[in-house]
Amino acid sequence: LAKTTQPISMDSYEGQEVNITCSHNNIATNDYITWYQQFPSQGPRFIIQGYKTKVTNEVASLFIPADRKSSTLSLPRVSLSDTAVYYCLVGDIRRDDKIIFGKGTRLHILP
Amino acid sequence: DTEVTQTPKHLVMGMTNKKSLKCEQHMGHRAMYWYKQKAKKPPELMFVYSYEKLSINESVPSRFSPECPNSSLLNLHLHALQPEDSALYLCASSPRGRGPEQYFGPGTRLTVT
Repeated sequence: LAKTTQPISMDSYEGQEVNITCSHNNIATNDYITWYQQFPSQGPRFIIQGYKTKVTNEVASLFIPADRKSSTLSLPRVSLSDTAVYYCLVGDIRRDDKIIFGKGTRLHILP
Repeated sequence: DTEVTQTPKHLVMGMTNKKSLKCEQHMGHRAMYWYKQKAKKPPELMFVYSYEKLSINESVPSRFSPECPNSSLLNLHLHALQPEDSALYLCASSPRGRGPEQYFGPGTRLTVT
């Protein structure tokens, strides 16, 4: 299983764009990259998933370079309510039994 | 319906009790999961039911027992738990062929006294 490494914590300000990078040097051919957001005492919320290049939805963008050894979650114009823990996962799209959450990044948005 | 529901929201039980946690989804997902999450730690996968086949994290003690009555329901039976089992228990489901893309319920906060 590809291990992921993220910054433990980050601070930013309201209205800024926030980029959280995840390192996954041992990513395999069939692995996809998935990001979750979690608020205290709630279940994680799926944000975005991608394989290569760029994926965008109404919440975030995911940038994946050609070597796929890292990825960047981009949150545009954050607000105080984006304060949460963000998890990066790497897993085989064909498998649903090998899922390991990394330690996550605690994002703190300041006014 | 795009929700995963879990009951109860909170549960306090003694070490000799038997209780069950319940999870339900109506998104047609064929994989369902139980996770355990301790404070300030990431969720840890306990069990997976995928197309009625059970996969177990071998580190999970036998006092936790999953049951999948049908493709929409998932139970976690608890018996003779220890105080260190106190945690947030999360249920999730996943659409077919999407690997790590999962949809989580709000969790059950379990306290073992």
